[in-house]
Amino acid sequence: SYVLTQPPSVSVAPGKTARITCGGNNIGSKGVHWYQQRPGQAPVLVIYYDNDRPSGIPERVSGSNSGNTATLTISRVEAGDEADYYCQVWDSSSDHWVFGGGTKLTVL
Amino acid sequence: EVQLVESGGGLVQPGGSLRLSCAASGFTVSSNYMSWVRQAPGKGLEWVSVIYSGGSTYYTDSVKGRFTISRDNSKNTLYLQMNSLRAEDTAVYYCAMGIAVAGAPFDYWGQGTLVTVSS
Repeated sequence: SYVLTQPPSVSVAPGKTARITCGGNNIGSKGVHWYQQRPGQAPVLVIYYDNDRPSGIPERVSGSNSGNTATLTISRVEAGDEADYYCQVWDSSSDHWVFGGGTKLTVL
Repeated sequence: EVQLVESGGGLVQPGGSLRLSCAASGFTVSSNYMSWVRQAPGKGLEWVSVIYSGGSTYYTDSVKGRFTISRDNSKNTLYLQMNSLRAEDTAVYYCAMGIAVAGAPFDYWGQGTLVTVSS
């Protein structure tokens, strides 16, 4: 089965740039989606198909995907960005959805 | 406005059964694909099952043969019948919706319902 690997935690100072990676075999050939989950809340889609933003998501949130790594980038980090972030892909070979293990973003 | 409201969670003994419901409004469940995603306490998201607009269903290996996803178009409601429950099934269960295209993201999520499997 397809596996997505994320770092458990990333820390960044306010105003700086946070980068959260998602590793997978040839993930660049798949469409990657990213979700933000704040404590006690349901996940919210923040990036879809590698680098598209749903309405309401600020431009400082972006994504990229190439080779074996997809990356979620949050520029000018704010305290409100502190949350867990999950990457997701659809494995067409099994018709299964796969989530990464999640990354806790801490704003110092 | 799209809304998903789960219900049916609770405490159940190992080996028991539970049926979760997800009432949808603002869209038609039969025209989109619907999934169940769970999150064990303090853990990450785990995809459980999906039902496509055409009726095809798929399950993660750990629940295959024990869980059944279905929908009632007249009630615009998604279900998850869970049988032979195990302690490791303890989690918050979310229903989620995506447009009827394979690989599309989960655009909308419910607030979740907690299932606790314990004696």
